[in-house]
Amino acid sequence: RKEVEQDPGPFNVPEGATVAFNCTYSNSASQSFFWYRQDCRKEPKLLMSVYSSGNEDGRFTAQLNRASQYISLLIRDSKLSDSATYLCVVNYNAGNMLTFGGGTRLMVKP
Amino acid sequence: ETGVTQTPRHLVMGMTNKKSLKCEQHLGHNAMYWYKQSAKKPLELMFVYSLEERVENNSVPSRFSPECPNSSHLFLHLHTLQPEDSALYLCASSQDYSPVYEQYFGPGTRLTVT
Repeated sequence: RKEVEQDPGPFNVPEGATVAFNCTYSNSASQSFFWYRQDCRKEPKLLMSVYSSGNEDGRFTAQLNRASQYISLLIRDSKLSDSATYLCVVNYNAGNMLTFGGGTRLMVKP
Repeated sequence: ETGVTQTPRHLVMGMTNKKSLKCEQHLGHNAMYWYKQSAKKPLELMFVYSLEERVENNSVPSRFSPECPNSSHLFLHLHTLQPEDSALYLCASSQDYSPVYEQYFGPGTRLTVT
């Protein structure tokens, strides 16, 4: 079983749509959670951290369900520029060792 | 120059060659990381350095040898690689080796082993 599992997609949505991605993780001792964004042939960049109480940043909302060991990302009012691969990332230890999911590819169409 | 830089951006090498990848961060960070991103696979952490000391070695074959001469520079020395080592090698840095700090990635070196 993969440590961090994501649906690879692609998710093809029209501009203005709302889209949601889920991610599951296997280690119940996981301590911190993130969503990174990776554009084609570019490096990953932090999109947002995910907190237990859920958090929102503009059109993006992240939620964590520790009991079920899944993390979600909701994107409202999708823009063409949101097209990218979204990486679910988990930190299991007290250091900064990140474990990445395989990514979910989003394509927003005009 | 700002952020995290990596050189070269592209590298083609034969299986008997020896080459090195270079990473430099201009952020004043104390922790640096090497990751491997192969096609169709998640990013895999290879090595972590904190304050120039190696703190993690994620079961990486000895044909990959990291070096961290100071807190701003990180190298990955490569020798006798295999074709399956072809991948994007990403360097990252963070303020410290703590989960509260964001990791900033360089643009990567795309390595092809022939």
